[in-house]
Amino acid sequence: SQTIHQWPATLVQPVGSPLSLECTVEGTSNPNLYWYRQAAGRGLQLLFYSVGIGQISSEVPQNLSASRPQDRQFILSSKKLLLSDSGFYLCAWSETRPEAFFGQGTRLTVV
Amino acid sequence: AQSVTQLDSQVPVFEEAPVELRCNYSSSVSVYLFWYVQYPNQGLQLLLKYLSGSTLVESINGFEAEFNKSQTSFHLRKPSVHISDTAEYFCAVSAPREVQGGSEKLVFGKGTKLTVNP
Repeated sequence: SQTIHQWPATLVQPVGSPLSLECTVEGTSNPNLYWYRQAAGRGLQLLFYSVGIGQISSEVPQNLSASRPQDRQFILSSKKLLLSDSGFYLCAWSETRPEAFFGQGTRLTVV
Repeated sequence: AQSVTQLDSQVPVFEEAPVELRCNYSSSVSVYLFWYVQYPNQGLQLLLKYLSGSTLVESINGFEAEFNKSQTSFHLRKPSVHISDTAEYFCAVSAPREVQGGSEKLVFGKGTKLTVNP
């Protein structure tokens, strides 16, 4: 069966510090991978989308970037965090079926 | 492009009462529709989905949703709720990638917080 791992679960970072959140999927090959951000009262905003290694689509202009160095690894990064980057970050995957499956999320607080 | 509107941000109900969480979508092409549930500080779990066929879909824990193409709605219902149903519910839409204008990316509504009180 397929599983998705996302870490860390919580993170507190100072403004201006770098960020690296990692997501890995097991039990599937060539999945579509997604990074979403969830802010209170605003639902889920799709940040990045990847259909394969090195293929990243950015959905919104922002202070973040994403990379996919391996087939089942998806990394969310920032060189310098802003206060507005605080939120709940969710990684998800999908394959032949249209539904997506989510990790447990990372609560990021920028102070 | 597709979009989703969840009309109620919060829905309080008493235990064993019926509930309906409303969802309307916008799309120029045929769609897939989903309901996800999120418990506090957790990821989203797929509750039910409509891909094709019967317009009434059911989950294993008593929820159901009906796809209504003419009203562009996919409301979620449960005839009798439990305390354990307290969570946030998200409606989502995507379109088949092979359909022009379709995208397999999920677009979510802003969520409805369901609170079940004793």
